[in-house]
Amino acid sequence: AQSVAQPEDQVNVAEGNPLTVKCTYSVSGNPYLFWYVQYPNRGLQFLLKYITGDNLVKGSYGFEAEFNKSQTSFHLKKPSALVSDSALYFCAALTGGGNKLTFGTGTQLKVEL
Amino acid sequence: NAGVTQTPKFQVLKTGQSMTLQCAQDMNHNSMYWYRQDPGMGLRLIYYSASEGTTDKGEVPNGYNVSRLNKREFSLRLESAAPSQTSVYFCASGTEYSNQPQHFGDGTRLSIL
Repeated sequence: AQSVAQPEDQVNVAEGNPLTVKCTYSVSGNPYLFWYVQYPNRGLQFLLKYITGDNLVKGSYGFEAEFNKSQTSFHLKKPSALVSDSALYFCAALTGGGNKLTFGTGTQLKVEL
Repeated sequence: NAGVTQTPKFQVLKTGQSMTLQCAQDMNHNSMYWYRQDPGMGLRLIYYSASEGTTDKGEVPNGYNVSRLNKREFSLRLESAAPSQTSVYFCASGTEYSNQPQHFGDGTRLSIL
């Protein structure tokens, strides 16, 4: 079965430090991968995607993600975290007809002063 | 730009009551989706509509029905609500291109007593 895993329920980082939110996937064929962010009482907002090409993908708000085919991972990164980055982050993979997405369980990022 | 609009934003039902969640998008997207979000489980696809006039089951369709009223609107109906359907429901829309992200509404928070 195709799946997406986010092994950490919560990640705590000090403001100014680099952050990483982990994601691994198990899909057939070439993976189409996405990161979304959710702020309280809001819907998901698209951050970035990997479709093909460079393994390092740059997205919104200074976020980037590194695709690693051998490790089947797509980790979200940011060089310097902000308190305003605190939110719930979801990794997703395209899995099947109709452009269906399978989501990970989400990682709560908390950035502290 | 409204994007994806969901109504209502909040609702409390009693077990056995019925209700319809409404969703409309103004981006001329072909595809629309209904997800539920539960703590620790990420987003799970209930139903989707790849184009006007078609609907298909997702991962958790039991207890739900959908109607793709036209290209803009996609409704989700609970015929006989159960406490297990207490959740946050998100509607999303997307193009027919698999490399494009889905766009989400702000959700309907549904409690069933």
